[in-house]
Amino acid sequence: GEDVEQSLFLSVREGDSSVINCTYTDSSSTYLYWYKQEPGAGLQLLTYIFSNMDMKQDQRLTVLLNKKDKHLSLRIADTQTGDSAIYFCAERPKNYGQNFVFGPGTRLSVLP
Amino acid sequence: DTGVSQNPRHKITKRGQNVTFRCDPISEHNRLYWYRQTLGQGPEFLTYFQNEAQLEKSRLLSDRFSAERPKGSFSTLEIQRTEQGDSAMYLCASSLLGGANTGELFFGEGSRLTVL
Repeated sequence: GEDVEQSLFLSVREGDSSVINCTYTDSSSTYLYWYKQEPGAGLQLLTYIFSNMDMKQDQRLTVLLNKKDKHLSLRIADTQTGDSAIYFCAERPKNYGQNFVFGPGTRLSVLP
Repeated sequence: DTGVSQNPRHKITKRGQNVTFRCDPISEHNRLYWYRQTLGQGPEFLTYFQNEAQLEKSRLLSDRFSAERPKGSFSTLEIQRTEQGDSAMYLCASSLLGGANTGELFFGEGSRLTVL
């Protein structure tokens, strides 16, 4: 079956870097996504990476993709209290039509 | 506001009652998705539409669940004879197929269902 895995919790100090890791299952996924969910809100797309890329940088966000190990990570530089949220990794496997498969989410807590 | 809109935001009902949720997607988006999210979990796919056609349904979607998108714009998700296990956040998302876009989903804020 399809299972996207993430560690459930991460706690960092304000100003430090955060690294959120994800393991996905389907090497056919064309795009891999990171979504952010704040309390009481829907999911918001943070960034995505195309499967033929190893790295993508977008301001404070860096996405690294290791296709061999099916490992995706999101690094947030200079983490701020406003970054406290749940972060979801998602893939869209070709064998699952247009279904996006989400991980369980990593709850990031930023301590002052 | 051009985002995805869902209502009601919260619904409390008694077991056995029927409930209906509505989703208004971003106007130019041709794909509309329903997901269910329970506490501590990521969204689980339920079904999706391309325009008015329902193209895929998850095996999670029991016979008590029905979704429609009659004119290819807004969608409704109805749950009949609700059970306590149906308590969850029901998320709607839309996307645009085609062009150079990555097909990313744009989510609404969700409709939280509590079945007593």
